[in-house]
Amino acid sequence: DAGITQSPRYKITETGRQVTLMCHQTWSHSYMFWYRQDLGHGLRLIYYSAAADITDKGEVPDGYVVSRSKTENFPLTLESATRSQTSVYFCASSESRFGRGQGNEKLFFGSGTQLSVL
Amino acid sequence: AQSVAQPEDQVNVAEGNPLTVKCTYSVSGNPYLFWYVQYPNRGLQFLLKYITGDNLVKGSYGFEAEFNKSQTSFHLKKPSALVSDSALYFCAVRDTGYSTLTFGKGTMLLVSP
Repeated sequence: DAGITQSPRYKITETGRQVTLMCHQTWSHSYMFWYRQDLGHGLRLIYYSAAADITDKGEVPDGYVVSRSKTENFPLTLESATRSQTSVYFCASSESRFGRGQGNEKLFFGSGTQLSVL
Repeated sequence: AQSVAQPEDQVNVAEGNPLTVKCTYSVSGNPYLFWYVQYPNRGLQFLLKYITGDNLVKGSYGFEAEFNKSQTSFHLKKPSALVSDSALYFCAVRDTGYSTLTFGKGTMLLVSP
């Protein structure tokens, strides 16, 4: 879907460097998420955000920082990259308000960023 | 805590045959269940969801899933597989009171001509 875009598509960096992965959505969805995909682990949630200036940790947040100053953007920063952070990173958004129970909890995913840390 | 298991890393089926991709879940409340599909070098795409109501849920591309509360399962099915169905399939669950989904590890479906 053109509504959620990630950049860059591919990134190679070195251990210890700071890296920022960008995510932008055009639907004004309230919820945004960052997942990493690794063989044998499937998708694991790093951080999520329920609205601008509201973020929360997921399953594997260590070594990552997020911010959400605007509804449409949700950048993910690796403060000091490590080889274990080599992965494919997916951003997703949802119009649903999870806290209210039933809803259209369909996630829309970006095309991913393939990150290699050497 | 919420969790989901996909017991098969890979499922092989011949084109035209029925397919089943298995998923079991664990929640403490009522489950909301989902299937997503991932084609090569793409993000995940929503296939179908179970929130409440009928145990047989119909979704995109002719897929359906059957919710079985007693067996805590939510298997994905299709009556007649296509080669183009070959992809990675993820089951996901959300327990009531949780704000996020938990995904399974994924099952690779390979449909041979």
